[in-house]
Amino acid sequence: QSVLTQPPSVSAAPGQKVTISCSGSSSNIGKNFVSWYQQFPGTAPKLLIYENNKRPSGIPDRFSGSRSGTSATLSITGLQTGDEADYYCGAWDSSLSVAAFGGGTKLTAL
Amino acid sequence: EVQLVESGGGLVQPGGSLRLSCAASGFTVSAYWMTWVRQAPGKGLEWVANINQDGGEKYYVDSVKGRFTISRDSAKNSLYLQMNSLRVEDTAVYFCARTEQAGGFDIWGQGTMATVS
Repeated sequence: QSVLTQPPSVSAAPGQKVTISCSGSSSNIGKNFVSWYQQFPGTAPKLLIYENNKRPSGIPDRFSGSRSGTSATLSITGLQTGDEADYYCGAWDSSLSVAAFGGGTKLTAL
Repeated sequence: EVQLVESGGGLVQPGGSLRLSCAASGFTVSAYWMTWVRQAPGKGLEWVANINQDGGEKYYVDSVKGRFTISRDSAKNSLYLQMNSLRVEDTAVYFCARTEQAGGFDIWGQGTMATVS
């Protein structure tokens, strides 16, 4: 049981917009920054979003993040087949003193 | 180039030990919080432990407390994870990661597989 909750899977047609939700609590998302990661099979995760909504250099602006209360959302516009991957949210949990990840969401471009 | 390279994984029997290493290049390990994250086969990411810049603060997930020890060597610009009393459920790919100021993990190694069987 993950501290942060994500849907197991989401799908959308190429070119469309897709959103992935991440639900937490006042001790993690409600208090600390959220980050998002993209992982392709057999490879290391890659930082997509940090500090809730900032993109590292090299990350396309098709990827965006937001936070509201104890939930966060990753949005991907202009979905491409190359975006098919697993996506994870993460945040520090101040009550547990652990870094929490969501269970991961598998994105499929139909 | 900024990168992390893990090593030290392998096959070990339950109750055994492994020491994972993570060599950094392109930046100074002692200037950042550093983290170990693991991923069991077919499962999601699980944070394992982290250590602050001077090594004075260390945090662990409950399941490894008392068995794993995170450390760093500034002279070798490396991060380590000593894993003792290993259990079958510790089987995973172990990644080291640099922690940026706001807590996100911005640089990841390629991972090293530890199999307990």
